[in-house]
Amino acid sequence: GAGVSQSPSNKVTEKGKDVELRCDPISGHTALYWYRQSLGQGLEFLIYFQGNSAPDKSGLPSDRFSAERTGGSVSTLTIQRTQQEDSAVYLCASSPHYNYNEQFFGPGTRLTVL
Amino acid sequence: DAKTTQPTSMDCAEGRAANLPCNHSTISGNEYVYWYRQIHSQGPQYIIHGLKNNETNEMASLIITEDRKSSTLILPHATLRDTAVYYCIVSSSGNTGKLIFGQGTTLQVKP
Repeated sequence: GAGVSQSPSNKVTEKGKDVELRCDPISGHTALYWYRQSLGQGLEFLIYFQGNSAPDKSGLPSDRFSAERTGGSVSTLTIQRTQQEDSAVYLCASSPHYNYNEQFFGPGTRLTVL
Repeated sequence: DAKTTQPTSMDCAEGRAANLPCNHSTISGNEYVYWYRQIHSQGPQYIIHGLKNNETNEMASLIITEDRKSSTLILPHATLRDTAVYYCIVSSSGNTGKLIFGQGTTLQVKP
């Protein structure tokens, strides 16, 4: 079946602009996660959504970052007033209800802030 | 969740077994050991997980010591396509999936 998809695959923006990154999880997966990976670094957890529960936003680095998940499916990560340090690969993952630790990752969106 | 320690890098000859170690000396009773890998320019890929028994699937085998303080991921016949960063993660079954990725082990499979 189809895996996790993300769009766009690449995004170049100017400092101060807002960007939206989209994630389409695997159909039927109840949990959705956002991570980011800066150049040469490990993955950093940002936020997760699980069913109808309130999202865990504990990993968001600043209030410029927000995310929503509409209808329990597609998710959008929004970064307002982008800064150069926001440049990274943003990865989305989804997991089934029976094992939240078995996550299926998308290919990521490479964000470059000039 | 408990932390893990892995070597920074390892080499393996193509066709030979790759044995990737992981130390998790502070693991608690309800925590599982998970392995993921990340091939260059791709998202991470789940490989295998286990609690205390050894596990095997089509990708790899996982050997967990009796005291559960360390484990080894085994790729029985490494290929060039297995070159990747391998992450060992410890997480409880009740965890909501907020995985903590360390720096992992960069495995280089050489011809």
